[in-house]
Amino acid sequence: QKEVEQNSGPLSVPEGAIASLNCTYSDRGSQSFFWYRQYSGKSPELIMFIYSNGDKEDGRFTAQLNKASQYVSLLIRDSQPSDSATYLCAVKKVTGNQFYFGTGTSLTVIP
Amino acid sequence: DAGITQSPRYKITETGRQVTLMCHQTWSHSYMFWYRQDLGHGLRLIYYSAAADITDKGEVPDGYVVSRSKTENFPLTLESATRSQTSVYFCASLGQGGNTIYFGEGSWLTVV
Repeated sequence: QKEVEQNSGPLSVPEGAIASLNCTYSDRGSQSFFWYRQYSGKSPELIMFIYSNGDKEDGRFTAQLNKASQYVSLLIRDSQPSDSATYLCAVKKVTGNQFYFGTGTSLTVIP
Repeated sequence: DAGITQSPRYKITETGRQVTLMCHQTWSHSYMFWYRQDLGHGLRLIYYSAAADITDKGEVPDGYVVSRSKTENFPLTLESATRSQTSVYFCASLGQGGNTIYFGEGSWLTVV
């Protein structure tokens, strides 16, 4: 069983819409949860992280965590063409500072 | 410039050859990681290191060797390259707060 599962997409949304990206994880002991953005040919960059149940907002981005369901999501409001990228979900294990990544969801924002 | 630098950025090698990918960071972060990224598999952890002279296996360590004699360097060696090791390799370090991984620009390796 994979540590982190993501729908690979592709996901397409029109400009200005809300993009919703989802992720599930297998280990209930996972400590923190992360969303990274990766443009084609580039390295991943951190968008935000969350470790408490509920919502965390940062600008146009909102991360949602439900530990009971082992589910993490990322909402992107007012999507822009520059948001077109692959979004990676990651979890951090309690021990060893190991981070495990999902396969990523490809998002295209259509102008 | 501060950060993580990887070299070489692009490499083509032949099956059976030894290849070393270099990674250097200027932040003095304790934790460093090597990931490979393949279509359909995402980022997979190869090896990680908690400090100089402390390394441990990740998800896919077979065929790879690492060392960390100095905090700032974390080289990854493919002892006898195979075609299945054709991939993009990312070196990364963990920021002081323990929640931000910083990635290098990646090393594109092709084994022919």
